[in-house]
Amino acid sequence: GQNIDQPTEMTATEGAIVQINCTYQTSGFNGLFWYQQHAGEAPTFLSYNVLDGLEEKGRFSSFLSRSKGYSYLLLKELQMKDSASYLCADYKLSFGAGTTVTVRA
Amino acid sequence: DTAVSQTPKYLVTQMGNDKSIKCEQNLGHDTMYWYKQDSKKFLKIMFSYNNKELIINETVPNRFSPKSPDKAHLNLHINSLELGDSAVYFCASSQDAGSGANVLTFGAGSRLTVL
Repeated sequence: GQNIDQPTEMTATEGAIVQINCTYQTSGFNGLFWYQQHAGEAPTFLSYNVLDGLEEKGRFSSFLSRSKGYSYLLLKELQMKDSASYLCADYKLSFGAGTTVTVRA
Repeated sequence: DTAVSQTPKYLVTQMGNDKSIKCEQNLGHDTMYWYKQDSKKFLKIMFSYNNKELIINETVPNRFSPKSPDKAHLNLHINSLELGDSAVYFCASSQDAGSGANVLTFGAGSRLTVL
């Protein structure tokens, strides 16, 4: 969406950590979502943040700062299967353009 | 058992034709959506229905007409297809109409190619 910004592409090495940033300008904020989309497949839900702070789910964590209009998705211990597009979305279901992450051996 | 299923998966047609894409969800969700994903991978919401009522109607040409016969089905009909309509169309559903943790479950997508 026009009010959601995230980098277009990122490359990282297997086993490394990558942080995907997302900034948003959404009025009446009520949560931010992260989705994963593998090439040729449907997006699948990863995480939802409505309060400030870090939400951890295994190798994936998501952080939110409402005062800064900022979120990030942290992918740890990268695996080849993590190569995908990662989409940030606001509670109005507007999506960012997605960040394509390429994991290299 | 597919949660959100849409048909057809692929659709190739000529400019000017009329086509439909069907979607069904078996999750018992109240809200269904149509999204369009273009060649740049940008996912844009088109329509949303909550219990058969239209609640989101983004700026979309009126050649696109959604129809929801019941809350488990949301179809998309496109008249007079144009080259720019070529995209992947995703159907999705969610438990509620968007007032909080409104997690979307997507169908596998329908790739439309207009020649």
